[in-house]
Amino acid sequence: GAVVSQHPSRVICKSGTSVKIECRSLDFQATTMFWYRQFPKQSLMLMATSNEGSKATYEQGVEKDKFLINHASLTLSTLTVTSAHPEDSSFYICSAGPGRSNTEAFFGQGTRLTVV
Amino acid sequence: AQKITQTQPGMFVQEKEAVTLDCTYDTSDPSYGLFWYKQPSSGEMIFLIYQGSYDQQNATEGRYSLNFQKARKSANLVISASQLGDSAMYFCAMRELPHSGAGSYQLTFGKGTKLSVIP
Repeated sequence: GAVVSQHPSRVICKSGTSVKIECRSLDFQATTMFWYRQFPKQSLMLMATSNEGSKATYEQGVEKDKFLINHASLTLSTLTVTSAHPEDSSFYICSAGPGRSNTEAFFGQGTRLTVV
Repeated sequence: AQKITQTQPGMFVQEKEAVTLDCTYDTSDPSYGLFWYKQPSSGEMIFLIYQGSYDQQNATEGRYSLNFQKARKSANLVISASQLGDSAMYFCAMRELPHSGAGSYQLTFGKGTKLSVIP
């Protein structure tokens, strides 16, 4: 089964609303989780690093008030896209580590967000 | 400068043939890890293979092998006996161990190579 579970896989929301995406590590404790964004036919770009019990670290250019990250437990991190706009439409994917071995970084299934 | 460079936007390979996907990297850290992921159209990232900077031998996982040339800073992925199901995007990624020890599983990705397997 999947080591990292991400939900929902697809979401369509209206402009101005907020959307929450969950990332769960299923069989290990993830002290750190990472949130990436991927535009069509482009690579994954790191948005932020989520550390359990502390504030997330955002990459340059990522609005922390727009992309709220909460990592309240060792198995769950959430990304909330607030006041979504059509330009926020993208593929969001999380990863967690360390996993069962230090040589792997596991990814969730990804969430395709469409803002209309 | 880009940390991970994948120079092949797209590649075609005949079914059952082998194919090499190129990846070069740039780092001044002596300790790092190199990954290859497969991303089918569904979007999930499938881990394929890992090579540590101190590993003496090239990594292999089934039909996947990594041609690691440390002095040239290259980590090419070789897929043997290509199958139709291998058609996907392939990403090379690097993990550098930061001095602080935090965020040690953060990956930097290349732009990817789209592999198409022809029947």
